Amino acid sequence: NFMLTQSRSVSESPGMTVTISCTGNSGSIASNYVQWYQQRPGSAPTTVIYANKERPSGVPDRFSGAIDTSSNSASLTISGLKTEDEADYYCQTREVFGGGTKLTVL
Amino acid sequence: QVQLVESGGGVVQPGRSLRLSCATSGFTFNTYPMHWVRQAPGKGLEWVAVISYDGSYQDYADSVRGRFTISRDNSKKTLYLQMSSLRIEDTAVFYCARDRFITSIDWIFDLSGRGTLVSVSS
Repeated sequence: NFMLTQSRSVSESPGMTVTISCTGNSGSIASNYVQWYQQRPGSAPTTVIYANKERPSGVPDRFSGAIDTSSNSASLTISGLKTEDEADYYCQTREVFGGGTKLTVL
Repeated sequence: QVQLVESGGGVVQPGRSLRLSCATSGFTFNTYPMHWVRQAPGKGLEWVAVISYDGSYQDYADSVRGRFTISRDNSKKTLYLQMSSLRIEDTAVFYCARDRFITSIDWIFDLSGRGTLVSVSS
């Protein structure tokens, strides 16, 4: 079965840049679009990146997405970190979600 | 703007049934595929089911296939999830989600609702 693997947690300081990775275990992650969802504590998930690198309206350009076919992975990069970015981040392609990465901004 | 309001959750015993609803507004409901996605307490997101814009096609996660039925009433702009033979492991917050683009299923979820909690317990 196809799976997406994410690191469980990452932490970084305000103002810095962090990259969260999402690796597919088989096939090509580039075969379908990858999305990224942000879920703040106690809230529903919201989309921060769709179709690999597109940002919904209202999402700041500090958020960017990319695909690396050589490593069969997708990445979400957040620059100029703010405390409000502290959340769980999930990657997804078709019916599969990654396990989520907890971002701590301290 | 897009609004998705889930309802129908509650506490139910194992083996019983429950029907969830998702009332929608702010978009042309009958042109978008719709999904249900769930999240068990303290766990990650799990896709549950999808239905085409006209209701002619449905698909399910293996974990719910044969027990859950997704449907829609385009005249009422409402999505449903009929859940039967509920198990303790079905305990979760259930979100409805709209596909980002019309007609074809694109698997890009717009999760705008707050979800409804289903708790399966004896």
